[in-house]
Parts: sequence; C-alpha cells; structure tokens
Amino acid sequence: GNSVTQMEGPVTLSEEAFLTINCTYTATGYPSLFWYVQYPGEGLQLLLKATKADDKGSNKGFEATYRKETTSFHLEKGSVQVSDSAVYFCAASGGGNKLTFGTGTQLKVEL
Amino acid sequence: DGGITQSPKYLFRKEGQNVTLSCEQNLNHDAMYWYRQDPGQGLRLIYYSQIVNDFQKGDIAEGYSVSREKKESFPLTVTSAQKNPTAFYLCASSTGLIMNTEAFFGQGTRLTVV
Repeated sequence: GNSVTQMEGPVTLSEEAFLTINCTYTATGYPSLFWYVQYPGEGLQLLLKATKADDKGSNKGFEATYRKETTSFHLEKGSVQVSDSAVYFCAASGGGNKLTFGTGTQLKVEL
Repeated sequence: DGGITQSPKYLFRKEGQNVTLSCEQNLNHDAMYWYRQDPGQGLRLIYYSQIVNDFQKGDIAEGYSVSREKKESFPLTVTSAQKNPTAFYLCASSTGLIMNTEAFFGQGTRLTVV
C-alpha cells in the first residue's frame, strides 16, 4: 500500500519567515497528492492538491509541486503569519478510494 | 449550510461498553469515511463506504463496526473489543473517487474511556 512520510514537528518560526514542510510518498501507480490543515479542536480542511506530475497546487500563499522523480510534495510559503499556526498533513490517494496520511507536522508561528 | 456534522464533540465511556459516534452529511456525497487520530500517528482509516448499503474495512477495523443505511448517515460503533479506544475520531465524505476530489471532514469526536 501507499505510505507518506513528512517531517516531524513542531516547527517554530517567526512571523514573515519562509516555511518548508517536507513530504515524500511511496505508491504504486500515480496517486493524487494533497495537503490538509487542522486548526486546534477542528477537523481537517483541504489546503491544496495536485493530481499529476509537475502540477503545482496553491492556496492562501501556500504552494506544493508534485515531483515524480523525487516522489515529493513539499509545502512552502514565502511569509508565514501567526494565523498559519496549525497541524499540516500530507496525503496521497490510493487504490480502493482511500487516502493515506502522514503523521502531521505542527507549525507554530510567533510574533 | 452544507456540511458534515459529528456528534457528540466529547464522549466518555466506561470500559466494556459499546458506544456509537454519529456522522451526518447534507452534501449529497456518495462516499463516507471514518478515521482515527492519535498523537504522533496521523490519521488511520477505520472503515469507508462508497455507496449506501456497502462498506469496506480500512487499516484498523478490528473492534469497530459501521452501517450505511442512508446516504446521509454513517455511524461508527466502538465495541468493547477495541483494546485502546481513547482517541479523536474524524468522519469525512467525498463526492466519489477520492483521488479526484476533496474530502470534507467533520469537527471530530473525542472519545475517552474511563
């Protein structure tokens, strides 16, 4: 089956710093790739997605590019805000209509 | 407003008791899912259903049961056979094949066994 590995947290940054959260996957075939965000006490919300190689997903200043050659989907943002503090999950679609999630990376942004 | 609703938000259960978590959606989605979230382990799939009256086991189905009698509803029962039921449970739904569409999540139910 699929597996998703993402960098461990917590990641602590100052406001306006550059963010990278690494995500790599193993999968048979060509999965779609997703980043979900979870704010405290809430469910997950889709942040962005990419469905094929070299696609770039983007939303709210966040970006991630589907890199088939490195099996990666790293999340980036040029200038983080305190309101971006949350847990970020990388996920890959797989057979049987399933999503496989990484373990999540907690981001803390300080003033 | 369309969405997916889980209830209750917090649930306490005594050891040896079964408990049912509710999940309702008014998004007209065919597919529904139950995930379990534990600290440091991300989300793990318990059960999913692609259509009414049909469901499949996920990666950690032991000790859980589900039903899908209506399109809108996908309740999860945590049975006494589940050895470590204390966790945060998330329900989700999607229009169809998850590779092509967004999954919408509920707010979650935090179950604590006392």
